[in-house]
Amino acid sequence: EVQLVESGGGLVQPGRSLKLSCLASGFTFSNYGMNWIRQAPGKGLEWVASISSSSSYIYYADTVKGRFTISRDNAKNTLYLQMTSLRSEDTALYYCAREGGPYWGQGVMVTVSS
Amino acid sequence: DIQMTQAPSSLPASLGDRVTITCRASQDIGNYLRWFQQKPGKSPRLMIYGATNLAAGVPSRFSGSRSGSDYSLTISSLESEDMADYYCLQSKESPTFGSGTKLEIK
Repeated sequence: EVQLVESGGGLVQPGRSLKLSCLASGFTFSNYGMNWIRQAPGKGLEWVASISSSSSYIYYADTVKGRFTISRDNAKNTLYLQMTSLRSEDTALYYCAREGGPYWGQGVMVTVSS
Repeated sequence: DIQMTQAPSSLPASLGDRVTITCRASQDIGNYLRWFQQKPGKSPRLMIYGATNLAAGVPSRFSGSRSGSDYSLTISSLESEDMADYYCLQSKESPTFGSGTKLEIK
């Protein structure tokens, strides 16, 4: 069974940093690109970042470019999202999802507030 | 950036109705279009990929179609379990979601 389990969320002050993790199981993690997608409370879905299977290709939404860094450790079957200079508008439920979208995690909440 | 204009934002419908949700792409995206269903408190579920292909386990009452830059998700006969939010997603370039459609009981 494919599982994606996010962790690392929480309450953080504006301007601070936070690192999310997504532990994958049930498939060969190193064969697939991965994505971070977020959803602000009561709002729609917003793509955040993508990384290819070997980390050769990385893309970011304009709203997070220069502040967020996506990475992965294929040996640990784990996807990461390093978030810096956090803003109130980054408050959202953050999902990791396998390329193509057939599998999503349950999401982890990030709240940016003083 | 490619914009996806999704309509309607809200769709009241009755059980058994045929309903259609549409996304219009601002640029050519070919068939790089997916549809997702999201129920309250749940993660999104892939329904359609490649604009017209049914994802695994999705009931056959769901279908996807394309006409030029317009992409549609149709439910042939609405069931209670279909009440949810629906989003389109283009992945031709930097991915963008449509704004969503809330499908609710009339």
